[in-house]
Amino acid sequence: GAVVSQHPSWVICKSGTSVKIECRSLDFQATTMFWYRQFPKQSLMLMATSNEGSKATYEQGVEKDKFLINHASLTLSTLTVTSAHPEDSSFYICSARDSRGLGQETQYFGPGTRLLVL
Amino acid sequence: QKEVEQDPGPLSVPEGAIVSLNCTYSNSAFQYFMWYRQYSRKGPELLMYTYSSGNKEDGRFTAQVDKSSKYISLFIRDSQPSDSATYLCAMGPGGGNKLTFGTGTQLKVEL
Repeated sequence: GAVVSQHPSWVICKSGTSVKIECRSLDFQATTMFWYRQFPKQSLMLMATSNEGSKATYEQGVEKDKFLINHASLTLSTLTVTSAHPEDSSFYICSARDSRGLGQETQYFGPGTRLLVL
Repeated sequence: QKEVEQDPGPLSVPEGAIVSLNCTYSNSAFQYFMWYRQYSRKGPELLMYTYSSGNKEDGRFTAQVDKSSKYISLFIRDSQPSDSATYLCAMGPGGGNKLTFGTGTQLKVEL
């Protein structure tokens, strides 16, 4: 149980284009999902917290107009990198909080999406 | 001072060794503690989850929490080359609030 998927697993795009990344909880409902960014050999950097049916909460320094987050259902959240530039190239990872029982504080991570902007 | 401190390593041990990974924290509000394993170019995988002081064992893994010292540990017995990965500690205050992660310790188990 507690499986999270991400799609696509990697994407290469031209500068100026927008890229959408999907995060799905496959076997549980996730009222809260999180989006992280990770640079090589560095830890996870939380970008935003996404709650189903409401606006995402962004961390300080993260541009909400640049990184659009939508959490339209209990099993799906999307991150759209708008007008991507080479500095947006990174490993993007989502996680979902399992609200069932004692596991409600844990987060289960997706496999990540590697974005390369040329 | 970071809320969560974790030695980045790298830590290199021979196969079969007992590995000890540690994190210290400063926020006394943290009540839930987790350990994740992350292989290169993959998402983190939950290994252990605890919410009380003491030990919790799962196979070759033992998680230890000492809230009075604000110190948590992960022990790996009979380490295997497949255990080579980065280990992240994570903790939070509960109530569905966000987790705070350590920087991760890179572990290499050599044959």
